[in-house]
Amino acid sequence: EDQVTQSPEALRLQEGESSSLNCSYTVSGLRGLFWYRQDPGKGPEFLFTLYSAGEEKEKERLKATLTKKESFLHITAPKPEDSATYLCAVQDNAGNNRKLIWGLGTSLAVNP
Amino acid sequence: KAGVTQTPRYLIKTRGQQVTLSCSPISGHRSVSWYQQTPGQGLQFLFEYFSETQRNKGNFPGRFSGRQFSNSRSEMNVSTLELGDSALYLCASSSEWGASAEAFFGQGTRLTVV
Repeated sequence: EDQVTQSPEALRLQEGESSSLNCSYTVSGLRGLFWYRQDPGKGPEFLFTLYSAGEEKEKERLKATLTKKESFLHITAPKPEDSATYLCAVQDNAGNNRKLIWGLGTSLAVNP
Repeated sequence: KAGVTQTPRYLIKTRGQQVTLSCSPISGHRSVSWYQQTPGQGLQFLFEYFSETQRNKGNFPGRFSGRQFSNSRSEMNVSTLELGDSALYLCASSSEWGASAEAFFGQGTRLTVV
């Protein structure tokens, strides 16, 4: 069964203290892995899509990487405005079922 | 460009009642997906509509249903509400079906069943 596990559940950083969030997944075949950011009281906001092992994508202080078993979201020199819950989702390439399977997220707090 | 609009934002219903939630996608988007979000289960996929046809369905009971209109607006209905249906219901729109394209989420409808 497809499964997505994110760690840690919660992370508190000082402004400027770089770190990484992990998303490990189990699927029969990966069609795509997605990263979203969710602020309190709002819907998730799209960040990245990764399709194959070795792929990397960057956006401002965020960099997402993908291996065959997991993805990392690296946050370099974070700022308080990066505080949010970061969600990972995967899509299986089996058959015609293209629904996303979501992790529970990592709640990130960046202190000034 | 207007974003995804969900109405109402908040709703309180009594157990046994039914409820209808509405989602207006971004103009030009023909795919609308619905999710239930709870602290313990995270985001769980309900169903996806594309060009008025249901393309994907999650593992929810038949009390949860949806439809999409010719203007791509979508509604979700939950009948015979249970306490466990209390959640944030999110809809997402995209230009293609099956998560092939970036999805844009609305702010959600917070449903409380008492």
